Amino acid sequence: GESVGLHLPTLSVQEGDNSIINCAYSNSASDYFIWYKQESGKGPQFIIDIRSNMDKRQGQRVTVLLNKTVKHLSLQIAATQPGDSAVYFCAENNGDNAGNMLTFGGGTRLMVKP
Amino acid sequence: DTAVSQTPKYLVTQMGNDKSIKCEQNLGHDTMYWYKQDSKKFLKIMFSYNNKELIINETVPNRFSPKSPDKAHLNLHINSLELGDSAVYFCASSPGRWVGEKLFFGSGTQLSVL
Repeated sequence: GESVGLHLPTLSVQEGDNSIINCAYSNSASDYFIWYKQESGKGPQFIIDIRSNMDKRQGQRVTVLLNKTVKHLSLQIAATQPGDSAVYFCAENNGDNAGNMLTFGGGTRLMVKP
Repeated sequence: DTAVSQTPKYLVTQMGNDKSIKCEQNLGHDTMYWYKQDSKKFLKIMFSYNNKELIINETVPNRFSPKSPDKAHLNLHINSLELGDSAVYFCASSPGRWVGEKLFFGSGTQLSVL
């Protein structure tokens, strides 16, 4: 399940199950979104991206869904494996005048139980 | 083979000291960044350089001074280190000038100020 508060939200899943990680973004003008995976002791790694003219994009074992109406982004991982254990970040290009920066969400820790 | 490399990996120092972190990318990218990740894993942009030109300077104390001798290098110098500077610092790069595009991160420098 998930835990919130001072700790990083955590999603615990059984190996082989599907995982869904959610992200609420802030700016309705954002037009580009990225999911990153950060393993312990490493930098964030690109997983998949999506532009605002799409509502779904699929990669290898991963799918990103975008709901612009409620400003919600999700990452679905099929057949979750122990190697998927990491912290996952969504990032939005907020499209404002401040150089169109990527703004990162707070992250969700995915723990895969063998 | 490393795309974005930063040194050192770990940096432990006393309050008041001055330290530098180096970053190099061999991807041929035009834009480089420094991000700070706090203990809650929150990632925040500090600086961005495009072809040696500063294009983003977020609200960062003047004690932090980035230097880009060429477009493949972006170093971060920190003066008069404080306890609150303890964090993981990530260097990143992206292909073009548009700073809201996909970022490639280094493996991070964990700075501990005692």
